[in-house]
Amino acid sequence: DAMVIQNPRYQVTQFGKPVTLSCSQTLNHNVMYWYQQKSSQAPKLLFHYYDKDFNNEADTPDNFQSRRPNTSFCFLDIRSPGLGDAAMYLCATSRDLQGAEQFFGPGTRLTVL
Amino acid sequence: AQTVTQSQPEMSVQEAETVTLSCTYDTSESDYYLFWYKQPPSRQMILVIRQEAYKQQNATENRFSVNFQKAAKSFSLKISDSQLGDAAMYFCAYRTRGTSYGKLTFGQGTILTVHP
Repeated sequence: DAMVIQNPRYQVTQFGKPVTLSCSQTLNHNVMYWYQQKSSQAPKLLFHYYDKDFNNEADTPDNFQSRRPNTSFCFLDIRSPGLGDAAMYLCATSRDLQGAEQFFGPGTRLTVL
Repeated sequence: AQTVTQSQPEMSVQEAETVTLSCTYDTSESDYYLFWYKQPPSRQMILVIRQEAYKQQNATENRFSVNFQKAAKSFSLKISDSQLGDAAMYFCAYRTRGTSYGKLTFGQGTILTVHP
C-alpha cells in the first residue's frame, strides 16, 4: 500500500546533540511537510518542500533544518536540540500545493534528555 | 491570517449514540477547504471528511457528516452510531484553495471518549 513512513518511531537524544528524523513516501507526491506537535496541541507547520524548493515558515527556529535528496525521502535535522524541542514530529505529503488532502505518517516522538 | 477554533477540549459519547464536535474559523477568503482529521492515540492522523467552501451541500462519509455554515464560519462534525474505534483526538483544519500555497491551519483539537 502507498504510504508515508517515518523512522524511527521513537527517538531519544541528549540536550545539544544533533538528531535526524527520517520520512519516506511511496505516493510519489511532490510536496512533503514537517510538523511539530507538542503534547495535546495542534500540529504546527515547520516547513515544506515542493519538489526541490524549500519553504520555511517564518517562525521556525534556525535550529531546524531539512533535506530532501529525492522525491521519496525527506529529513528533519535538529542541530542542537533543547528540552523545548521534545515533541511528536509529523511528516505529511500532498500531490501538489493545490491538492486538497495531506497524508500523514505515524510520527516520530522525540525525547530530549 | 486564518484561525481555527475548537471550543470543546473534550467530549464523550455512549457507544451507538450521536455526538457533534464544534469548529469555527475566521478568514477573509471565499474559496477554501475545511477538514476534520482524526488522530487515535499513538497512531497516525487520518482524514475523516473534507468540505469545499464553494459547495453548499454538506459532506458525508458513512457515519460522519458535517454542518457547514459558511456565513457563520462554522464547521461541525457529527458522528452517528459512535463506535469504540472513534475514540481519538479530532482536529478541524482550514486550507486555502486556489493557485497559492495552501497551508493547513489546525484547531486545538477535541478529545473524544466513547463509553461502552
